[in-house]
Amino acid sequence: AQSVAQPEDQVNVAEGNPLTVKCTYSVSGNPYLFWYVQYPNRGLQFLLKYITGDNLVKGSYGFEAEFNKSQTSFHLKKPSALVSDSALYFCALTNAGKSTFGDGTTLTVKP
Amino acid sequence: DGGITQSPKYLFRKEGQNVTLSCEQNLNHDAMYWYRQDPGQGLRLIYYSQIVNDFQKGDIAEGYSVSREKKESFPLTVTSAQKNPTAFYLCASSDSGGLSYEQYFGPGTRLTVT
Repeated sequence: AQSVAQPEDQVNVAEGNPLTVKCTYSVSGNPYLFWYVQYPNRGLQFLLKYITGDNLVKGSYGFEAEFNKSQTSFHLKKPSALVSDSALYFCALTNAGKSTFGDGTTLTVKP
Repeated sequence: DGGITQSPKYLFRKEGQNVTLSCEQNLNHDAMYWYRQDPGQGLRLIYYSQIVNDFQKGDIAEGYSVSREKKESFPLTVTSAQKNPTAFYLCASSDSGGLSYEQYFGPGTRLTVT
């Protein structure tokens, strides 16, 4: 069985401050990990992915994520948050064609 | 203009009726997926298909059915056996059977059953 956990339902940060949205996973074999963002009443948009190679991956809108195999984590980060980053963020895992999503973390960036 | 379309955006049905949600993609993707999204529960996989004429049950397939007769289409039927069908339904597609490729999502269909 595979699973994804996002331990924080809500993350609040001030504009200009760094942000981190946490994700841990459990899977047999090598994980393919993804981050998606959802704006209100819309579908999800892909941000970035880790397949293999460099543990730090860079994605859209200045986001990056760090893959840590020993801690089975894939935390999403951004050096300087924008108010427009406020949205619902999902971490996801794909293994053998099947995808599992975390429950999501609502990020609120305050001016 | 490539992408995934889901129709309709809002759908209302009476309890006991089957209803079919449409999903079409023109991205030439092999794999397609159906998810259900409920508040606070993230996305849960209903069915997925890695190739035409083949599909697999996801984590919550009971009360749902699908078909994959064409590469570009993956309709979902919510049957009367689904005990709590009111939800936001998202369709997605990906290249290469979804092993390492990101998914592209449609805008979703909000189904309300009363």
